[in-house]
Amino acid sequence: GNSVTQMEGPVTLSEEAFLTINCTYTATGYPSLFWYVQYPGEGLQLLLKATKADDKGSNKGFEATYRKETTSFHLEKGSVQVSDSAVYFCARNSGNRPGTASKLTFGTGTRLQVTL
Amino acid sequence: NAGVMQNPRHLVRRRGQEARLRCSPMKGHSHVYWYRQLPEEGLKFMVYLQKENIIDESGMPKERFSAEFPKEGPSILRIQQVVRGDSAAYFCASSLGVDEQFFGPGTRLTVL
Repeated sequence: GNSVTQMEGPVTLSEEAFLTINCTYTATGYPSLFWYVQYPGEGLQLLLKATKADDKGSNKGFEATYRKETTSFHLEKGSVQVSDSAVYFCARNSGNRPGTASKLTFGTGTRLQVTL
Repeated sequence: NAGVMQNPRHLVRRRGQEARLRCSPMKGHSHVYWYRQLPEEGLKFMVYLQKENIIDESGMPKERFSAEFPKEGPSILRIQQVVRGDSAAYFCASSLGVDEQFFGPGTRLTVL
């Protein structure tokens, strides 16, 4: 079946440091890929997405590129802030048909803590 | 435009009782998904519904769990005869029928 693998956390960084959170996915179908962020006690917020190979999703300084050759969708940010502290989830959908509705399969999440 | 709404936000039940979790999707959304998050884990898919129909229930436990999304009103996730292992956060998401899903704040169920 489909799966998503994320690097384990927690990741602790100083403010303004560079962030990379690795994510790989199983190469079945034509999935859309997503990064969601979860702040303490809240639901998930969509951070960015990409729907096909070589697409780059970006939002709030975060970026991720859909790499089909390496089945990866790594999350990056050039300069993190304390307010970025949260849990980040990588996800893919079933991918039977691009852009269509289907369940999401999530990675286990990576907790990011940014300190001053 | 209000986002996805879930209630209650917190629910405490004793073993053997029933739990009913409600989800009101975003305005205009007719697709609803339920996910469960165990402590310190990622979200696991449970069921996908589109108005009055269950599209995919491959993640739903075979016993005690049921879900509906009636023509009028919210989607309901029902857990009968709860056990301690049902303690988790339950999240609902809605969509327009494309790949993007919008999540509610979740219901945190505690079974005593």
